[in-house]
Amino acid sequence: GAGVSQSPSNKVTEKGKDVELRCDPISGHTALYWYRQSLGQGLEFLIYFQGNSAPDKSGLPSDRFSAERTGGSVSTLTIQRTQQEDSAVYLCASSLKGTGVYTEAFFGQGTRLTVV
Amino acid sequence: AQRVTQPEKLLSVFKGAPVELKCNYSYSGSPELFWYVQYSRQRLQLLLRHISRESIKGFTADLNKGETSFHLKKPFAQEEDSAMYYCALSHQGAQKLVFGQGTRLTINP
Repeated sequence: GAGVSQSPSNKVTEKGKDVELRCDPISGHTALYWYRQSLGQGLEFLIYFQGNSAPDKSGLPSDRFSAERTGGSVSTLTIQRTQQEDSAVYLCASSLKGTGVYTEAFFGQGTRLTVV
Repeated sequence: AQRVTQPEKLLSVFKGAPVELKCNYSYSGSPELFWYVQYSRQRLQLLLRHISRESIKGFTADLNKGETSFHLKKPFAQEEDSAMYYCALSHQGAQKLVFGQGTRLTINP
């Protein structure tokens, strides 16, 4: 595809349920990032992948959050036992390598998660 | 720790007026700074980066290490500039972007 693709676009789930959010990065991009965009909170870094490994997962807010990446491509962010405070837009981005000076991060359209 | 502060959540100016979106950062090393923009119903996208010293859509931003600032400026605002603007910081070892809270810019006709 031409850009970073995320699915679903919108997800409404009941409190306590598990959800999976998917990200398809741009082909050939080795770096992949997950961010969370909450109202009035800006973009909060969650996790960074280089290939299939995650050298920086410092932003994951709790052990209910996990992510994996397979084949150096698709990534899945899983939230277990969702809480209302998990409601946000989850953004995925990819870049050719890391976020060096000449390396642009390309963002997906996001998944809007609503926990009711 | 790296931190980016955008003190204005909302900024409203009239078409044709100058606009300045403020960004301050805290980082002890040599930062790499960026401005990202999100237009209505569109994806977040890179606007400009400090190392390129470029002007994009009439916008410029100068890194001031003494004041630890990277303010975004445009001399004559246009209605199509209305969007959410995010200042972001990175450095060679971090491999991630740290974003500010964003400023919603509205250009009034």
